[in-house]
Amino acid sequence: GQQLNQSPQSMFIQEGEDVSMNCTSSSIFNTWLWYKQDPGEGPVLLIALYKAGELTSNGRLTAQFGITRKDSFLNISASIPSDVGIYFCAGQRLYAGNNRKLIWGLGTSLAVNP
Amino acid sequence: DAGITQSPRHKVTETGTPVTLRCHQTENHRYMYWYRQDPGHGLRLIHYSYGVKDTDKGEVSDGYSVSRSKTEDFLLTLESATSSQTSVYFCAISETGEVGQPQHFGDGTRLSIL
Repeated sequence: GQQLNQSPQSMFIQEGEDVSMNCTSSSIFNTWLWYKQDPGEGPVLLIALYKAGELTSNGRLTAQFGITRKDSFLNISASIPSDVGIYFCAGQRLYAGNNRKLIWGLGTSLAVNP
Repeated sequence: DAGITQSPRHKVTETGTPVTLRCHQTENHRYMYWYRQDPGHGLRLIHYSYGVKDTDKGEVSDGYSVSRSKTEDFLLTLESATSSQTSVYFCAISETGEVGQPQHFGDGTRLSIL
């Protein structure tokens, strides 16, 4: 099935560093979502983006909806150990009928060295 | 946390046996989804429901059936489990299926088929 290109696949950083990750697609999306998944748990929504060019923050997290509507970026500033986890992007657009499914990236695994 | 309960949380069973996973929500959301998560494949949609007794297939629906007799419950059934169905299964809900409505996830069921 269709998937988003999410990069990097994994990151290992020092506590206090900033982190950037992104998702790209050949298709246009109406909504971009960023989730975080901790081990043994389900993905939790971090940020939702609804408009091209939109820049939205949630604490130390900032995400942007690309102006072309084909990409999105997530930045984490001043990383801390609890930022460890897998970050997923998801794009959403209209399909025929009732099908308004999400298209998912494969995730960015983040490890933070205290 | 969104009021989503998945049961069981863990299950080990043998090839050829029937398995039913349950998702229960207390949010009165119209849409419910079943995903599987596997390394290298990310989250893949199995089936979804857009109302009581209204369901549709996702991208990996073969070997799975679903039922929704009440708003709050969405059941996923593996009629005759195979080893390829070993996975972590996540239920998700959204208030509507409209573009822009994020999905919220349960904590998953880890299913092992021997």
